[in-house]
Amino acid sequence: EVQLVESGGGLVQPGRSLRLSCTASGFTFGDYAMSWVRQAPGKGLEWVGFIRSKAYGGTTEYAASVKGRFTISRDDSKSIAYLQMNSLKTEDTAVYYCTRGSSLNYWGQGTLVTVSS
Amino acid sequence: DIVMTQTPLSSPVTLGQPASISCRSSQSLVHSDGNTYLSWLQQRPGQPPRLLIYKISNRFSGVPDRFSGSGAGTDFTLKISRVEAEDVGVYYCTQATQFPRTFGQGTKVEIK
Repeated sequence: EVQLVESGGGLVQPGRSLRLSCTASGFTFGDYAMSWVRQAPGKGLEWVGFIRSKAYGGTTEYAASVKGRFTISRDDSKSIAYLQMNSLKTEDTAVYYCTRGSSLNYWGQGTLVTVSS
Repeated sequence: DIVMTQTPLSSPVTLGQPASISCRSSQSLVHSDGNTYLSWLQQRPGQPPRLLIYKISNRFSGVPDRFSGSGAGTDFTLKISRVEAEDVGVYYCTQATQFPRTFGQGTKVEIK
């Protein structure tokens, strides 16, 4: 069974950093691209970014709203994808989901990030 | 960026009756590889989103056959043939043809 479990969310002050993790199981993690999607309270879905599998260079893409502040990485030996978030703003407050592949075919339960002073 | 526009934004439906959601993209979603990367997601209350349909009309594993997708180019439709109580939630269309990936605003399906 495919499972994705996000962790690392919490309350953080504006300007600070936070790293989210997405631990995968039930599939060969290294074979898949991974995406991060967020959802502000009561709002719709917003794509954050994407990391390709190593077979496709392991390169990344980002939304304009986070480019230069957020970094996605992966550790295939541990089946974990990371979202490093720097210079956080209040508008980054959201539930952050990791999803598998470019088709977003499996989702984690999400982890809440609250940016507030 | 490709803008995804859904209509309606709210859809009150009687149990057992059909429902239909439209999604229009600001430019063609046909990729250079010939595929059209248009998907539909369902988000039940308090739950993460779930993939229903990918590449316009392909149902994902475990998705009931009352859900169907159709369309081409810039116009797409999700249909529920007979709405059941468990179908209540918000439905999103999304494109993966071009970065940045974008989503529609969401359509709330509720029971009358």
